[in-house]
Amino acid sequence: GENVEQHPSTLSVQEGDSAVIKCTYSDSASNYFPWYKQELGKRPQLIIDIRSNVGEKKDQRIAVTLNKTAKHFSLHITETQPEDSAVYFCAASEWYSSASKIIFGSGTRLSIRP
Amino acid sequence: GAVVSQHPSWVICKSGTSVKIECRSLDFQATTMFWYRQFPKQSLMLMATSNEGSKATYEQGVEKDKFLINHASLTLSTLTVTSAHPEDSSFYICSARDPARATEAFFGQGTRLTVV
Repeated sequence: GENVEQHPSTLSVQEGDSAVIKCTYSDSASNYFPWYKQELGKRPQLIIDIRSNVGEKKDQRIAVTLNKTAKHFSLHITETQPEDSAVYFCAASEWYSSASKIIFGSGTRLSIRP
Repeated sequence: GAVVSQHPSWVICKSGTSVKIECRSLDFQATTMFWYRQFPKQSLMLMATSNEGSKATYEQGVEKDKFLINHASLTLSTLTVTSAHPEDSSFYICSARDPARATEAFFGQGTRLTVV
């Protein structure tokens, strides 16, 4: 089955700097890679996702890149702000399949220093 | 957007008792729902896939007789933690994807289970 690895487990950056979180996946059948932000005691919130037919996607300060050959994908947050502090999870699944599991990475606790 | 609702949001039960958690898709029919467990400071670990009208599929290491899943309708899946013990205390969360636009997964608000 799918296995998703995520690094780093914790990340502290100065406000205004960029943050990068990296993930790898194992199953070649995965073609949908969502990223979630989770605050304590809350449900995961989708912040951006990417399909395997594109290499990069950007939404304001957030971008995701995908290297399908290497099975790597990364989240980039620019101009970080205090409200970006949270736990971030990468995940892998299949596009357009309601029966497809979403497998999560281990999570990254991001702290933004004022 | 599609909404998944989970109930209760928190529950405290005595060791040895059973607890039922409900997960409903409010504006779409979900033939498949997923149940996750999340321990403090850990990731969401998939426990099982709930299939409407058939048996659930459990992930390796998850006891099917302890975590009973019923998906009797297209909008409701239930997870029953039987003979709960303190080590079952965790955050349980369900998820489903709208088959009409099976991209984004929608999550319930989660259930914080504490077994005393």
